[in-house]
Amino acid sequence: GAGVSQSPRYKVTKRGQDVALRCDPISGHVSLYWYRQALGQGPEFLTYFNYEAQQDKSGLPNDRFSAERPEGSISTLTIQRTEQRDSAMYRCASSYSQETQYFGPGTRLLVL
Amino acid sequence: GDSVTQMEGPVTLSEEACLTINCTYTATGYPSLFWYVQYPGEGLQLLLKATKADDKGSNKGFEATYRKETTSFHLEKGSVQVSDSAVYFCAPDTGGFKTIFGAGTRLFVKA
Repeated sequence: GAGVSQSPRYKVTKRGQDVALRCDPISGHVSLYWYRQALGQGPEFLTYFNYEAQQDKSGLPNDRFSAERPEGSISTLTIQRTEQRDSAMYRCASSYSQETQYFGPGTRLLVL
Repeated sequence: GDSVTQMEGPVTLSEEACLTINCTYTATGYPSLFWYVQYPGEGLQLLLKATKADDKGSNKGFEATYRKETTSFHLEKGSVQVSDSAVYFCAPDTGGFKTIFGAGTRLFVKA
């Protein structure tokens, strides 16, 4: 079956623009996670959904970052008024049992 | 707060050498423990896991034992191959959904 997919795979944007990153989890997975990974570091937790409910958004760095999962499947991470420090790999993962997470390939964001 | 510390890399080994990557953590309670691997150009994937004390996770010749008394989950392999070259992340699941990842240890295996 299909794994977790993310789009776009690469995004280059200018400072101040808004970006939307999409995650399509494995079918049937109720939990969905967003992480940010800087070069040479491990993934850093951003937010988590159980079905459509955002259970924890404590990792979102500031109010320019938001995420939604309106129908309990596809999720979108939105960054408003992007800044250069937002440049990173953004990873999505899904799980069925809240244990093993299956990661997507990531979206590499570059803010110029 | 909860945290994880893993051995800094890069680690460079010759083929068939023994590997140990140390990982220690601090967490409330008894988290599930995971090792994830990221091969060049690919996303993270689960390598192995252990969910309670003294459990041993194993996969692809790698092993790690959940040591509650030392809060450690060291990754070991008796004989590495070139194809094991990757970045390895130790990751305790501290709250049912909030997984904390270590900084990663890059392994290079030379033929």
